[in-house]
Amino acid sequence: QKEVEQDPGPLSVPEGAIVSLNCTYSNSAFQYFMWYRQYSRKGPELLMYTYSSGNKEDGRFTAQVDKSSKYISLFIRDSQPSDSATYLCAPNDMRFGAGTRLTVKP
Amino acid sequence: DAGITQSPRHKVTETGTPVTLRCHQTENHRYMYWYRQDPGHGLRLIHYSYGVKDTDKGEVSDGYSVSRSKTEDFLLTLESATSSQTSVYFCAIKGDSVNTIYFGEGSWLTVV
Repeated sequence: QKEVEQDPGPLSVPEGAIVSLNCTYSNSAFQYFMWYRQYSRKGPELLMYTYSSGNKEDGRFTAQVDKSSKYISLFIRDSQPSDSATYLCAPNDMRFGAGTRLTVKP
Repeated sequence: DAGITQSPRHKVTETGTPVTLRCHQTENHRYMYWYRQDPGHGLRLIHYSYGVKDTDKGEVSDGYSVSRSKTEDFLLTLESATSSQTSVYFCAIKGDSVNTIYFGEGSWLTVV
């Protein structure tokens, strides 16, 4: 079993939709969880990170961790075409999920 | 922008030839990483370093070696390139806190 599992998509939504991106992980020792955004032909950039369980909000983005089920989520409200990118999750040991490719259509 | 650069950015090489990719940082961060990214596999860790001359293997280290003789440079070497090593390679650096993680712009390697 891989340490981090993520549905690669692709995911296509209309502008303004709420987007839900998800990952599962296997190691219960992970303490913090990161989400990266990667535009085409660019390096990933750190979008958000959360410690332990609960929610963290940053503008239109909300990161959520459920340690009991080893499930992490990223929600994007009022999605914009500029949100079109690949989103990768990573626990604190710098191992990544496969990434979900998101397209937001105008 | 974080001070991390990769070179070369693009390279085409022949099977069996050695190839070295360079990652250079100006942040003085302790940790450095090399990943490869392929469709359907996401980012896979090749090797990482936690200090000068301190390196360790990642999940896909076969066929790759690394060296770190200075804090600022982390070299990835393909001793004898194969077509399966055609990929995009990313370097990352990390400081002491989680919000100090930065990636380079990538090196596109084609082995023909």
